[in-house]
Amino acid sequence: AQSVTQPDIHITVSEGASLELRCNYSYGATPYLFWYVQSPGQGLQLLLKYFSGDTLVQGIKGFEAEFKRSQSSFNLRKPSVHWSDAAEYFCAVVEYGNKLVFGAGTILRVKS
Amino acid sequence: EAQVTQNPRYLITVTGKKLTVTCSQNMNHEYMSWYRQDPGLGLRQIYYSMNVEVTDKGDVPEGYKVSRKEKRNFPLILESPSPNQTSLYFCASSFAGQGTGANVLTFGAGSRLTVL
Repeated sequence: AQSVTQPDIHITVSEGASLELRCNYSYGATPYLFWYVQSPGQGLQLLLKYFSGDTLVQGIKGFEAEFKRSQSSFNLRKPSVHWSDAAEYFCAVVEYGNKLVFGAGTILRVKS
Repeated sequence: EAQVTQNPRYLITVTGKKLTVTCSQNMNHEYMSWYRQDPGLGLRQIYYSMNVEVTDKGDVPEGYKVSRKEKRNFPLILESPSPNQTSLYFCASSFAGQGTGANVLTFGAGSRLTVL
């Protein structure tokens, strides 16, 4: 079975500072990878996805992620965090077909 | 507006009282799935359906049932809820298959269930 590890349960950053959320996956072949964001009381919204090609992927809300096969990582980054980015972030990988396996999530707090 | 609609959004119930959480999508998606979200565990798949009348177990199916009689609807049934089913539940849908366009799940807003 595939697995996704998000090593940081909570991260706190200052508004305007840069952000990197870590994600490591286990998968033998080229993975399909996703980052989703969950704002309080909301469902999950897709930030970005990686299927193939360019390893640096741009998403919505100014987020990007870089796929590094050698490190089995798909870290999410943002150069300048806004208070509205406070949320829980989930990394996910396709296990087979349409099934996603999710990491445990990282809760982002933004301090002003 | 393309969306996945879940009801109820919030529910408090008691052990053993059967309940159904409804899920409906308006995107003509073949694939639908239920996940539960628990702190520190992320989202875990309960059941999924590849199309009408085709359902299968996910990773945590115990205590749950589903049905897929129509393409747009995928209700989650708890025949005899127990406190360990207290959780946040998400329904999601997508086109079936693989590749760009498929695999991208659209999620409902979630249903928070408390079983006393």
